[in-house]
Amino acid sequence: AQSVTQLDSHVSVSEGTPVLLRCNYSSSYSPSLFWYVQHPNKGLQLLLKYTSAATLVKGINGFEAEFKKSETSFHLTKPSAHMSDAAEYFCVVSGVGNFNKFYFGSGTKLNVKP
Amino acid sequence: GAVVSQHPSRVICKSGTSVKIECRSLDFQATTMFWYRQFPKKSLMLMATSNEGSKATYEQGVEKDKFLINHASLTLSTLTVTSAHPEDSSFYICSAEWVAGGRYNEQFFGPGTRLTVL
Repeated sequence: AQSVTQLDSHVSVSEGTPVLLRCNYSSSYSPSLFWYVQHPNKGLQLLLKYTSAATLVKGINGFEAEFKKSETSFHLTKPSAHMSDAAEYFCVVSGVGNFNKFYFGSGTKLNVKP
Repeated sequence: GAVVSQHPSRVICKSGTSVKIECRSLDFQATTMFWYRQFPKKSLMLMATSNEGSKATYEQGVEKDKFLINHASLTLSTLTVTSAHPEDSSFYICSAEWVAGGRYNEQFFGPGTRLTVL
């Protein structure tokens, strides 16, 4: 079975400071992992994905995530937060053995202070 | 990237009526589509997997007679909320699966439909 745990429901940072959103996963198979962002009243947008290639994945808008199998983690980072980064972020796990169903984490709301 | 649309974006209906929500993949064919439900300030919950030409597969706890899914073509899946009640009010999101090849597929998400049942 697959699941993800997003360790923080809310994260608040100042503009220009680093962002760290934490995600741990559980999977019976070699997982595919994704980060999605959802702005208020908007659809989900894919930030980045890990699919067993390079463990450090670069996404859009300066976001990165590193797949660490030993820690079963896939944390999302950005060196410098921007006001426009304020949104809800979802970590997602998918497994080959489950007809590619997506399992969403509970979400982390990122607040960026001026 | 691939585009998935949903219609309507917002619907308000009276209790006891049925509401149909459409999900379309605009520039690719999707054998499989998924329907999710998102409660306010909550995560997305997978409701069902919609397969073109066959019956949908529902997640545990989701009433299949309440949430009727039809995937009649490779670009269209519909979700009908039958005899809607206020507790069915929610944000419904669909996704269409794009077969990337290799070991994984990708899902492209629609913008969502806000259902309010009075």
